[in-house]
Amino acid sequence: EVQLVESGGGLGQPGGSLTVSCAASGFTFSGYVMGWVRQVPGKGLELVSIISGSGTTTYYADSVKGRFTISRDNSKNILYLQMHSLRAEDTAVYHCVKSPFWNGYSYFDSWGQGTLVAVSS
Amino acid sequence: EIALTQSPATLSLSPGERATLSCRASQSISTYLAWYQQKPGQAPRLLVHGASNRASGIPPRFSGSGSGTDFTLTISSLEPEDFAVYYCQQRSHWPTFGGGTKVEIK
Repeated sequence: EVQLVESGGGLGQPGGSLTVSCAASGFTFSGYVMGWVRQVPGKGLELVSIISGSGTTTYYADSVKGRFTISRDNSKNILYLQMHSLRAEDTAVYHCVKSPFWNGYSYFDSWGQGTLVAVSS
Repeated sequence: EIALTQSPATLSLSPGERATLSCRASQSISTYLAWYQQKPGQAPRLLVHGASNRASGIPPRFSGSGSGTDFTLTISSLEPEDFAVYYCQQRSHWPTFGGGTKVEIK
């Protein structure tokens, strides 16, 4: 059974940094695109970033480009999202997601419960 | 960026009724469309991919159709557990989601 468990959310300062992580299990982690989708509570969904199975290819939403960095450790089955220059509009639940593909744009067949990131002074 | 417009925003129906949800893309996306269901306090769950392919474990009362710019998710007979919010998502270009349709109990 696929399991995606996020951690590392919390309160961040405007202009500050936070890193969220996702521990994956139940599948061959290195074989699939992984990503982060965020959701403002009570609102819709936004894809933030995705990374290829090998970790060599990354993509970002325009809203976070240059501020967020996605990475993965295939030896530990962990996905990361480093968030810098945080803004109030980054406040959301961040879901770790798995694609059924090794590379490219995708839909997402497994989702974590999410971790809340709140940006406020 | 491809915009997805879902309608209606809210659908009020009774158990046993048929639900028809619409998703329209701002440009052609072939059949690169997926549908998700989200219940309160839960993560979204994949229902349909490739516009009409049910995901693993999804009951046959859920069906998807369409291609190009117009897509439909149909729930043939609503069960109590089907009352939720439904989102569409395209992957033809940078993946984007629709704003959602809430299916509520009438």
